[in-house]
Amino acid sequence: NAGVTQTPKFRILKIGQSMTLQCTQDMNHNYMYWYRQDPGMGLKLIYYSVGAGITDKGEVPNGYNVSRSTTEDFPLRLELAAPSQTSVYFCASRPGGAHTDTQYFGPGTRLTVL
Amino acid sequence: GQNIDQPTEMTATEGAIVQINCTYQTSGFNGLFWYQQHAGEAPTFLSYNVLDGLEEKGRFSSFLSRSKGYSYLLLKELQMKDSASYLCAVMDSNYQLIWGAGTKLIIKP
Repeated sequence: NAGVTQTPKFRILKIGQSMTLQCTQDMNHNYMYWYRQDPGMGLKLIYYSVGAGITDKGEVPNGYNVSRSTTEDFPLRLELAAPSQTSVYFCASRPGGAHTDTQYFGPGTRLTVL
Repeated sequence: GQNIDQPTEMTATEGAIVQINCTYQTSGFNGLFWYQQHAGEAPTFLSYNVLDGLEEKGRFSSFLSRSKGYSYLLLKELQMKDSASYLCAVMDSNYQLIWGAGTKLIIKP
């Protein structure tokens, strides 16, 4: 199993550009999450999904959109990038069912908006 | 509001013992997690506590006191590879994880 994979690893955007961060998991997990991590800060939940076709907002959803058309994929869309979106983005998944299931993280995408 | 506090940075010596504290105030409690995060990498799971007391797992132990809103992670026989950030996260009443900012642990020879 590859686990949780994310692409790209690094990206530089100009203000106002758009992009999609890709996340795929091959563990057949129901729950998937997008977090951002700013330097010296904790992880902040952007969006999450409890299964294909179901998504919901987290703590910091503004400026982002998601979709979950399959169990495996959970892309994060940035529209009109702003410098405040410079961060490291982590995708995570867990099996679901038991809320105590640990979350498995992808390697992250480092995004800079200039 | 919801809040999780951890020290920003700690330094310890190889072979020694270190205790990393975490205090929390959250809307509901459904368990506390500790994750390890090496620089430039993703967090990886270390431990989970939902009942009061100590959970031991090899060189790492985690303690929880729900009445005090307090947990600690104890690392024994420190190795250089333990240099990392340690993240405390609480699962709230909505079963979402609320994350602390992390404690950067520096191990010196």
